[in-house]
Amino acid sequence: DIQMTQSPSSLSASVGDRVTITCRASQSISNYLNWYQVKPGKAPKLLIYAASSLQSGVPSRFSGSGSGTDFTLTISSLQSEDFATYSCQQSYRIPLTFGGGTKVEIK
Amino acid sequence: QVQLVESGGGVVQPGRSLRLSCAASGFPFSSYGMHWVRQAPGKGLEWVAVIWYDGSNTNYADSVKGRFTISRDNSKNMLFLQMNSLRAEDTAVYYCARDHGNLAYCGGECYRMDWGQGTLVTVSS
Repeated sequence: DIQMTQSPSSLSASVGDRVTITCRASQSISNYLNWYQVKPGKAPKLLIYAASSLQSGVPSRFSGSGSGTDFTLTISSLQSEDFATYSCQQSYRIPLTFGGGTKVEIK
Repeated sequence: QVQLVESGGGVVQPGRSLRLSCAASGFPFSSYGMHWVRQAPGKGLEWVAVIWYDGSNTNYADSVKGRFTISRDNSKNMLFLQMNSLRAEDTAVYYCARDHGNLAYCGGECYRMDWGQGTLVTVSS
């Protein structure tokens, strides 16, 4: 199975901050990498697919980059509604696997 | 607009069975692959199972293989997860998710998902 490792597991930030989350795959997955936003009691939301493509309707402050084994999710200017947990997921092969999540909290 | 509504969660004793349902609307259900994904308390997301658009193929995580069965009724726009021999470690919120592809023919769109809000399954005596 492909292991996905996210860092950090949590971070504290203020509104307006630039936030960067990293995700590393245990083997090359080309650009088969998706990012989701997860909030308690709500449906997880697809933000970024194919490593760097913005899902329709997602604000442009979210961006993704990377290929191979190393990937990054960046929020350029954190908004109050962005406090949530972010998870990466490889879509290279079954079994699909997720990173452990990064919880973004208010400083 | 994709709508996925899970039901059937609850408290169940170890070793017993439970059947989860997912009602889909807002898209042509029979054209898309479907998944179940779970999240145990304090843990990350874990993929559970997938079924092709026509039900012809399924795959499972090793942790549930032989105990869980994913199925679908395209005439009723419904997805199911039959869970047998439940264990404490199966306690989680279970999400129904629509794939962006049908899974039989993938042009790069497969294995990314739109999700429901989830249903909680608690396995406890």
